[in-house]
Amino acid sequence: QVQLQQWGAGLLKPSETLSLTCAVYGGSFSGYYWSWIRQPPGKGLEWIGEINDSGSTNYNSSLKSRVTISVDTSKNQFSLKLSSVTAADTAVYYCARGRTVTTLNYYYYYYMDVWGKGTTVTVSS
Amino acid sequence: SSELTQDPAVSVALGQTVRITCQGDSLRTYYATWYQQKPGQAPVLVIYGKNNRPSGIPDRFSGSSSGNTASLTITGAQAEDEADYYCNSRDSSGNHVVFGGGTKLTVL
Repeated sequence: QVQLQQWGAGLLKPSETLSLTCAVYGGSFSGYYWSWIRQPPGKGLEWIGEINDSGSTNYNSSLKSRVTISVDTSKNQFSLKLSSVTAADTAVYYCARGRTVTTLNYYYYYYMDVWGKGTTVTVSS
Repeated sequence: SSELTQDPAVSVALGQTVRITCQGDSLRTYYATWYQQKPGQAPVLVIYGKNNRPSGIPDRFSGSSSGNTASLTITGAQAEDEADYYCNSRDSSGNHVVFGGGTKLTVL
């Protein structure tokens, strides 16, 4: 059974860089897109970005200028860096495994079936 | 458009049927995916594809879609179904992932 274990600094000061890593255990790293999602206190889920095993990335347009997602396939890990953080970046950050499927009737579907437990990141001076 | 729209809150009497909806342009080409999230926990996948449930998800959960609207139906809601529910897909370009704003389900 695939599990995601994530870690990183939980308390940052404004202007610092958030850094989180997610390790994949018990399954293949290839064939999936690996995402970071965040959830501010009391709010909904926000997709940050994703990477595949080849290093191809997609980012949320609203965060693109500050986000870097990288992958280390030798360790089955992927990482998130978010620069110049402010209080608005305070959130629970999740990593997740995602996959896009094309159906026979040319519909698609995308799902995230494995999630990390989440890391609470607080930005405060 | 890259937005998915959900009603903020829905309630249902114990044992009754409830439908949670999600609207968005991308749903004309993507089946919506649905997640359940309880307080303090990570989201859990409950419906994906046309109407698929992961192992361990009760069969009272089902999904459907029509045009730009997807629905999650809970037939015979239980107290443990009280949670936030999020819909999700990729946007119409396929380059980004989008979530709906979430629906808080209260079981009365």
